[in-house]
Amino acid sequence: SQQGEEDPQALSIQEGENATMNCSYKTSINNLQWYRQNSGRGLVHLILIRSNEREKHSGRLRVTLDTSKKSSSLLITASRAADTASYFCAPHNTDKLIFGTGTRLQVFP
Amino acid sequence: ETGVTQTPRHLVMGMTNKKSLKCEQHLGHNAMYWYKQSAKKPLELMFVYNFKEQTENNSVPSRFSPECPNSSHLFLHLHTLQPEDSALYLCASSPRDRGHNEQFFGPGTRLTVL
Repeated sequence: SQQGEEDPQALSIQEGENATMNCSYKTSINNLQWYRQNSGRGLVHLILIRSNEREKHSGRLRVTLDTSKKSSSLLITASRAADTASYFCAPHNTDKLIFGTGTRLQVFP
Repeated sequence: ETGVTQTPRHLVMGMTNKKSLKCEQHLGHNAMYWYKQSAKKPLELMFVYNFKEQTENNSVPSRFSPECPNSSHLFLHLHTLQPEDSALYLCASSPRDRGHNEQFFGPGTRLTVL
């Protein structure tokens, strides 16, 4: 399956700490995308990293990709209570994104 | 807001009812998608439309019937649903240009089947 599998399933941290979420997948990809979902809402695209890239930054977000290990990580630095949400990775190969069950991040003030 | 709207936001229906979900995108995208999100399950891709043509039907039961009259509008017609169909239904759109395949999601319709 091309589905991304996030780890851990849930993560609780204090404001100001860093949060790291991991993603593993099984097939070759063109790119891998990370999305965020606030409770009961639609997903919001955060960042896309192409298969020939190893690291990408966007504000407080840092994404890494290791195609040899078929894994990616999302790091949120200096977390805020507003970062509380579910985070999904989505490997992209042909014409589809296949989402996993996500990592539920809780940031306490 | 991402430029993708969905109506209604909440829907309660009986198993014998017929209803429709509507999605509209104002982003000039070429592809539109329906997803189903149930509790503690991965987001399930249901249908994909490219330039109004259906290119993916992910083994979805016939009680769900999609319609895409143009590139900006997508409907999901519902009839004789089951309680297990209760879920958040998400619509998304994408440019589908090479290298630009990020998806933009609507807020979803929370469906409850009694």
